[in-house]
Amino acid sequence: KTQVEQSPQSLVVRQGENCVLQCNYSVTPDNHLRWFKQDTGKGLVSLTVLVDQKDKTSNGRYSATLDKDAKHSTLHITATLLDDTATYICVVGDRGSALGRLHFGAGTQLIVIP
Amino acid sequence: GPKVLQIPSHQIIDMGQMVTLNCDPVSNHLYFYWYKQILGQQMEFLVNFYNGKVMEKSKLFKDQFSVERPDGSYFTLKIQPTALEDSAVYFCASSPQGASNERLFFGHGTKLSVL
Repeated sequence: KTQVEQSPQSLVVRQGENCVLQCNYSVTPDNHLRWFKQDTGKGLVSLTVLVDQKDKTSNGRYSATLDKDAKHSTLHITATLLDDTATYICVVGDRGSALGRLHFGAGTQLIVIP
Repeated sequence: GPKVLQIPSHQIIDMGQMVTLNCDPVSNHLYFYWYKQILGQQMEFLVNFYNGKVMEKSKLFKDQFSVERPDGSYFTLKIQPTALEDSAVYFCASSPQGASNERLFFGHGTKLSVL
């Protein structure tokens, strides 16, 4: 059973619009949650890491929230650019140590059109 | 920033052959990982490696798989023999000593096509 569910599966927005990506998970324990950006055929670029029980982060046009009670996270992208077209992956780490396992979502495919 | 390099970016081999995927982790990192992503599916944990040993592995890490990092050179994933279901993109990652799992850097992946 998939432990990290992302929605929507895909999303099309016009350049300049804002969008919100959702992540629900059942991973236990849930030490931290990270959002990655993956361009087609390329590696993972870390956008933000959330650690606290109720956490918020901001990194330029990216902002994210985490609620560990609800096991839910959101990634907000404001004023989207064409270069934001990519797959955004939610990843939950089950331990704070370097030997913890990461549990990946299937990703949300974001397409930004002119 | 720190980079994890994976060589080659794409490898095509015939079923039954041996293949070695190479990863050049961030220098001074001591924890190494392999993850597997089948096309259209999410990435899944294969194995982690520290101090010359496999610390944990998943059920995807079959007996045909092995990892090593001889004398601080490449961190390698060897598959012998390969099977059709091994076709996937394999991602290497590394993290520094004593760091939590948050400080993890991924390579761009090696796409393995088994024919």
